[in-house]
Amino acid sequence: NAGVTQTPKFQVLKTGQSMTLQCAQDMNHNSMYWYRQDPGMGLRLIYYSASEGTTDKGEVPNGYNVSRLNKREFSLRLESAAPSQTSVYFCASSRTSAGNTIYFGEGSWLTVV
Amino acid sequence: AQSVTQLDSHVSVSEGTPVLLRCNYSSSYSPSLFWYVQHPNKGLQLLLKYTSAATLVKGINGFEAEFKKSETSFHLTKPSAHMSDAAEYFCVVTLFGNEKLTFGTGTRLTIIP
Repeated sequence: NAGVTQTPKFQVLKTGQSMTLQCAQDMNHNSMYWYRQDPGMGLRLIYYSASEGTTDKGEVPNGYNVSRLNKREFSLRLESAAPSQTSVYFCASSRTSAGNTIYFGEGSWLTVV
Repeated sequence: AQSVTQLDSHVSVSEGTPVLLRCNYSSSYSPSLFWYVQHPNKGLQLLLKYTSAATLVKGINGFEAEFKKSETSFHLTKPSAHMSDAAEYFCVVTLFGNEKLTFGTGTRLTIIP
């Protein structure tokens, strides 16, 4: 049972470098999400894709871009990494965005130095 | 508008004793409410959810929560703690679907042998 798979699990970047976090789900879900988790702040939504072909900004989209490559895959790109983007990133998916259970990946730890 | 407050950032209980994790919400309308659990270095897993059906909701691993509209609370309980319950727990509220989830800041549960 793979569920939601995200890569890489750990990454250290220098300020100004770019990188892409990859996410894939094998549950045939329509909706996918990217969150960041910071100490004492819970999870905050960066971007989401309610269905294939659509993407929308969440609560904290600045400094990020996303691509819904197909129904299975939803990537998150940092074009010019900043220390403020040091965080744990979670990809998630759900059957639809209308209150269905969300399934999370295991997280990607990103440090920007 | 919606918000959620987890009243304790850290709770410690002895193995075999009851667990109570407190959550208050603020919402203009009837919300959907969730509890998620996050074990160390893992993604979040749904424990239970309330979506305007029965006010007492039973979840996985012996957890349950009661929706109390008059108190705007959705506290999580378990009659007898197990060592495997040690984790971080998040209370989550939404009015409008998954793209509008609001996460609490989390409660870290420690189980004392």
